[in-house]
Amino acid sequence: DAGVTQSPTHLIKTRGQQVTLRCSPKSGHDTVSWYQQALGQGPQFIFQYYEEEERQRGNFPDRFSGHQFPNYSSELNVNALLLGDSALYLCASSLVFGVQETQYFGPGTRLLVL
Amino acid sequence: DQQVKQNSPSLSVQEGRISILNCDYTNSMFDYFLWYKKYPAEGPTFLISISSIKDKNEDGRFTVFLNKSAKHLSLHIVPSQPGDSAVYFCAASQTGGYQKVTFGTGTKLQVIP
Repeated sequence: DAGVTQSPTHLIKTRGQQVTLRCSPKSGHDTVSWYQQALGQGPQFIFQYYEEEERQRGNFPDRFSGHQFPNYSSELNVNALLLGDSALYLCASSLVFGVQETQYFGPGTRLLVL
Repeated sequence: DQQVKQNSPSLSVQEGRISILNCDYTNSMFDYFLWYKKYPAEGPTFLISISSIKDKNEDGRFTVFLNKSAKHLSLHIVPSQPGDSAVYFCAASQTGGYQKVTFGTGTKLQVIP
């Protein structure tokens, strides 16, 4: 049983560009959350998707957007990249009515913005 | 605004001794607390949790203590093993909060053989 997978593992972009990160949830999970982990910080909640809709959003600008597909996989899009967007982006999947500890995290995508 | 704080960025402990990792929170709405463990190149993995209606939860070598009046929790690992070397994140959430978890900045634990 594959866990949460993310692609790509690493990515380098330049300021002003756009990026798309992808996440496949653990088998059987229907909810996907995205987190940003800057260097030396803990993961910060970006948003969560369920039934292809954004359920909840953290304190991130509209440059951060997402999508969930019918197969529950998800994408995170970031427009107009800033140097400060350099971070590890983590995807977590869960069941919509599961408790917090049932979130499984992927290994992350490390984004470097130059 | 750091709502969950881990003031010790690192901790070194001898194998077999007790490791104590501390965490403070500021948001009174938090009623569920978790500890995650993270190895390099892997995502955080859930370790242990505690509800605000309890003051202690134990799972094998891991025990979490919660002091609601002080808004403080701690994770005790006894005995510590070299495989416990990792970054530990304290996290908090609200019941009904769509599983949104607020993380601390992490404590890097090194267990010396």
